[in-house]
Amino acid sequence: AQSVSQHNHHVILSEAASLELGCNYSYGGTVNLFWYVQYPGQHLQLLLKYFSGDPLVKGIKGFEAEFIKSKFSFNLRKPSVQWSDTAEYFCAVRSGGATNKLIFGTGTLLAVQP
Amino acid sequence: EPEVTQTPSHQVTQMGQEVILRCVPISNHLYFYWYRQILGQKVEFLVSFYNNEISEKSEIFDDQFSVERPDGSNFTLKIRSTKLEDSAMYFCASSAEGAGGYTFGSGTRLTVV
Repeated sequence: AQSVSQHNHHVILSEAASLELGCNYSYGGTVNLFWYVQYPGQHLQLLLKYFSGDPLVKGIKGFEAEFIKSKFSFNLRKPSVQWSDTAEYFCAVRSGGATNKLIFGTGTLLAVQP
Repeated sequence: EPEVTQTPSHQVTQMGQEVILRCVPISNHLYFYWYRQILGQKVEFLVSFYNNEISEKSEIFDDQFSVERPDGSNFTLKIRSTKLEDSAMYFCASSAEGAGGYTFGSGTRLTVV
């Protein structure tokens, strides 16, 4: 069965520190990859997505992610975090073909200290 | 920016009761979804809906669940006889295309007591 792993469950950083959140998936075929963010008390918002083309994807709020097919990974990065980035981050995968469903990881709770 | 609207934001119900969770997807979207997140667990797919019928459903989406698009704007999830383990945050989502990124609603927190 397809699965998505986010290895960092809880990350604490100081402002201006660099961020990298890991995401690995298990599916050998074509995939679409997503990162969503959930700020406290709010809904899931799309940060960025990868469908094809340049494996380095830039999203909103200064986030980017790199698709490395050989490693089945889609790690999220931000060079300098802000206190306002405190949120939960979810990686999600849609496998190719007829399905539209997303398989989510367990999420990473990021706390940025001022 | 267009939003997916969900009501109510929080519902408490007694075990065995029926609940209907409501969603208003983005108006020009054609694909609709329900997901749920039990506290402390991952977001799980329940069902997708396109062209007035279910296009895909998960193992979780058993006979006690049903979805409906009763008019041109609403998309509902009905749980016929709620159980304690149905307590979760339920998210509605919609997309313009099947393979696109979704827009999620803010969720309905269902508490079954």
